[in-house]
Amino acid sequence: QVQLQESGPGVVKPSETLSLTCSVSDGSISGYYWSWIRQPPGKGLEWIGFIHYSGTTDYNPSLKGRVTISLDTSSNRFSLKLRGLTAADTAVYYCARRQSQYQLLSYYYVMDVWGQGTSVTVSS
Amino acid sequence: QMTQSPSSLSASVGDRVTITCRSSHNINTNLNWYQQKPGKAPKLLIFAASSLQSGVPSRFSGDGFGTDFTLAISSLQPEDFATYYCQQSFNTPVTFGPGTRLEIK
Repeated sequence: QVQLQESGPGVVKPSETLSLTCSVSDGSISGYYWSWIRQPPGKGLEWIGFIHYSGTTDYNPSLKGRVTISLDTSSNRFSLKLRGLTAADTAVYYCARRQSQYQLLSYYYVMDVWGQGTSVTVSS
Repeated sequence: QMTQSPSSLSASVGDRVTITCRSSHNINTNLNWYQQKPGKAPKLLIFAASSLQSGVPSRFSGDGFGTDFTLAISSLQPEDFATYYCQQSFNTPVTFGPGTRLEIK
C-alpha cells in the first residue's frame, strides 16, 4: 500500500517562502495526480492544488498565484512552494494521492491516500 | 460552495445519524465523504455519492444527486465519533464542506 510522508520546516517567517516535500513510498508517482491540502488550527480543509505525473498543474485561485507544485519522478517526490507567507497560512499541510475510481459507467476523482500531515507556523 | 448541516451533533452508541451536504450548483454524483479524527489525516469513506470505499464498514452509506446529499451511519460505534467532511470532485477548485462534528452524548 502506497504511503506518503510530508517534510519541511515547522516555523517560517512572514513574507518568506514555505517549501514542503511529500515522499511517496511503496508505489510509483507515475499515473496519478498528487495533491496538497491544508487545515488551519481548529478549521476545515482547504485544497491548495495538484500536479499530474505528466507535469500538468491546477491551483486554488484563492491563493492568488502564490503557489507552485512540482514533481521529481526520479526520487518519487513532489513539492509545494508557497510564497509571501502571512499568519493566515499557519496550518497543518497534507499531501494526498488523487486518483480516478470507476463506478456506474463513470470515473470519479477521490483523494484516497493521505500523508500524516506536517504543522507549519508562520511567525517572526 | 459546499454547506453541511448540522455543524455538530451529539449521539449515543447504537444510534442512527444522518449528515446533510448541499452544493451551490449541480455536481451530479461527484461527491465524496471523509472522516477525520483529532490529529489524524482525513480518511475516504464514500465516493460517487453512494459508493463505499474499500475497507469501510457497511454501516456507512451515502445518497444524493445534483445538489443535495446525505451520509448516514446506521448504528454508531465508539470509533465513529469524529468530524465528517463532504467534498465535491465535479470541478476545480476542489471544495470541502465546513465539517460536521459528531460527539458522544
